[in-house]
Amino acid sequence: GAVVSQHPSRVICKSGTSVKIECRSLDFQATTMFWYRQFPKQSLMLMATSNEGSKATYEQGVEKDKFLINHASLTLSTLTVTSAHPEDSSFYICSASSYRSSYNSPLHFGNGTRLTVT
Amino acid sequence: AQKITQTQPGMFVQEKEAVTLDCTYDTSDQSYGLFWYKQPSSGEMIFLIYQGSYDEQNATEGRYSLNFQKARKSANLVISASQLGDSAMYFCAMSFTGGGNKLTFGTGTQLKVEL
Repeated sequence: GAVVSQHPSRVICKSGTSVKIECRSLDFQATTMFWYRQFPKQSLMLMATSNEGSKATYEQGVEKDKFLINHASLTLSTLTVTSAHPEDSSFYICSASSYRSSYNSPLHFGNGTRLTVT
Repeated sequence: AQKITQTQPGMFVQEKEAVTLDCTYDTSDQSYGLFWYKQPSSGEMIFLIYQGSYDEQNATEGRYSLNFQKARKSANLVISASQLGDSAMYFCAMSFTGGGNKLTFGTGTQLKVEL
């Protein structure tokens, strides 16, 4: 089955620094990747959609200058949290789909990254 | 816009019993997909089952079945013969034809299976 790898699984950083999270599709070409954010005991909220080779589409209310998304290849997308603050502490999880996927295809998720900003 | 509602923040079930997790949705689209995902405490999202809006039969996958009532816009998950390992957060999610694979998630139900 489709495998999505996300790294790191946990990261602790100091306020004001930047953190990069990687999302890789291991056995398929991911034309589209989605980045979600989840606060404790809450739902997954879509942050942005990235298509390979083009700029990401951000959901309303998500600061694109703070959450930089790059999808430079068909197997890798990165989310960079810039100038992190304690309120950015959250669980970030990516998912990927291929060109063959459609609305009735299940998304395959990475294992998530738990970010703590001190 | 799509909206998913899960009205049960927490559920308890005894081991080996069946449990139903509720999910209602709202959409004006005719073509859409309904998904259930399981999220253990470790955080990964595990796909359980899918139901398409045009599917006439209720979906089943092992111990999981989806009770799809289109007129009521509900897509309840039924877990039969609950196991301790079923304790997790369960999310109902929806996709639609114009959104590709983009999923809208419900608020989730925390299921705890007891001995």
